[in-house]
Amino acid sequence: DTGVSQDPRHKITKRGQNVTFRCDPISEHNRLYWYRQTLGQGPEFLTYFQNEAQLEKSRLLSDRFSAERPKGSFSTLEIQRTEQGDSAMYLCASSSTPEKYFGPGTRLTVL
Amino acid sequence: AQSVTQPDIHITVSEGASLELRCNYSYGATPYLFWYVQSPGQGLQLLLKYFSGDTLVQGIKGFEAEFKRSQSSFNLRKPSVHWSDAAEYFCAVGASNNAGNMLTFGGGTRLMVKP
Repeated sequence: DTGVSQDPRHKITKRGQNVTFRCDPISEHNRLYWYRQTLGQGPEFLTYFQNEAQLEKSRLLSDRFSAERPKGSFSTLEIQRTEQGDSAMYLCASSSTPEKYFGPGTRLTVL
Repeated sequence: AQSVTQPDIHITVSEGASLELRCNYSYGATPYLFWYVQSPGQGLQLLLKYFSGDTLVQGIKGFEAEFKRSQSSFNLRKPSVHWSDAAEYFCAVGASNNAGNMLTFGGGTRLMVKP
């Protein structure tokens, strides 16, 4: 296993469009996390899953953001009706212990 | 609520010089503490972690960090910096009493290395 992977690596979209990002965690990890990182800032926690259960979602930035992990393996993060303020790097991490392993991120640009 | 402060936004050191990056945290119990490094356009790579035990922890790439409970600090050090160490460094705290152990990150310190 080569680590956490994310797809796409870059996404450019127009304001108002919906976007979906995918994260494939390290296979034996039961926890999966989504973070957002804006330019010049540290990552900001959004949500996390233990297996297929979403155990924390209060930090999702608005009701336009949603995440799923239907079979406890890969996860998707969807942003509906994108806004220019959604432009950021979206990072996924996985773990089975307190230490988290991060993917390369998806950079979203909203025009 | 947990929080992390990295007082230095930018640091420039000469290659071969020693390095110390500061990190102060706020958390009510014994925290889980981490340092990550991020190269431009890349994800985060774990450098080292502290959960319990010996307060001086060794990491990859010759880095070490020391947990000082009395000062609520977890400073990162390297005795001799290499040009390839130029990157952004993030300190993070995780809640030891929370199953999810969600991480709270500091704002980061950008390290530049002079030849």
